[in-house]
Amino acid sequence: SQQGEEDPQALSIQEGENATMNCSYKTSINNLQWYRQNSGRGLVHLILIRSNEREKHSGRLRVTLDTSKKSSSLLITASRAADTASYFCATALRDTGRRALTFGSGTRLQVQP
Amino acid sequence: EAQVTQNPRYLITVTGKKLTVTCSQNMNHEYMSWYRQDPGLGLRQIYYSMNVEVTDKGDVPEGYKVSRKEKRNFPLILESPSPNQTSLYFCASSEDRGRSGYTFGSGTRLTVV
Repeated sequence: SQQGEEDPQALSIQEGENATMNCSYKTSINNLQWYRQNSGRGLVHLILIRSNEREKHSGRLRVTLDTSKKSSSLLITASRAADTASYFCATALRDTGRRALTFGSGTRLQVQP
Repeated sequence: EAQVTQNPRYLITVTGKKLTVTCSQNMNHEYMSWYRQDPGLGLRQIYYSMNVEVTDKGDVPEGYKVSRKEKRNFPLILESPSPNQTSLYFCASSEDRGRSGYTFGSGTRLTVV
């Protein structure tokens, strides 16, 4: 089963509004990463938050991590039509073994102009 | 420009006809990986490589082969493609598996008829 699960599966908002996406995972992690994917294109790395960090910012992005609840959220403030994409969380397990990053199934964000 | 280059971008082939999808990175990354993306299943890891001549299976390796003769190249080989290998394939590379962000290629959409 997927290590990371995003919620909601789909989100539609108006330009200028904030978008919040959530990710839950099951086992202890080294870090959690968020990626964006425009339709049919490659994933683009947005931000990485380590297990000892609680919040991180990058431009209009804010990511939080709650290791006690095994959850993370991605907030996009003042959204733009260009933010329309799918967003994935990916977890790097503390004990990576052979597996490096495990991806969730994503949240499809639609920003209406 | 730092990038991962995959070729071809689109490929339609017939069952049983051997094919190779090439992947090359210019960032001197040691870690490289192949994923397939299918609707509802997210990204699943096929194979990965920790360094030259070091490869290992991911979650869905059946029907695929890889090689890592040079640091920059990590081709994916389908010896006898079948329709269930119709998918969107991504190559990715990273400085350090799981502990830093991945750089993805633009993807290869493969259709096996």
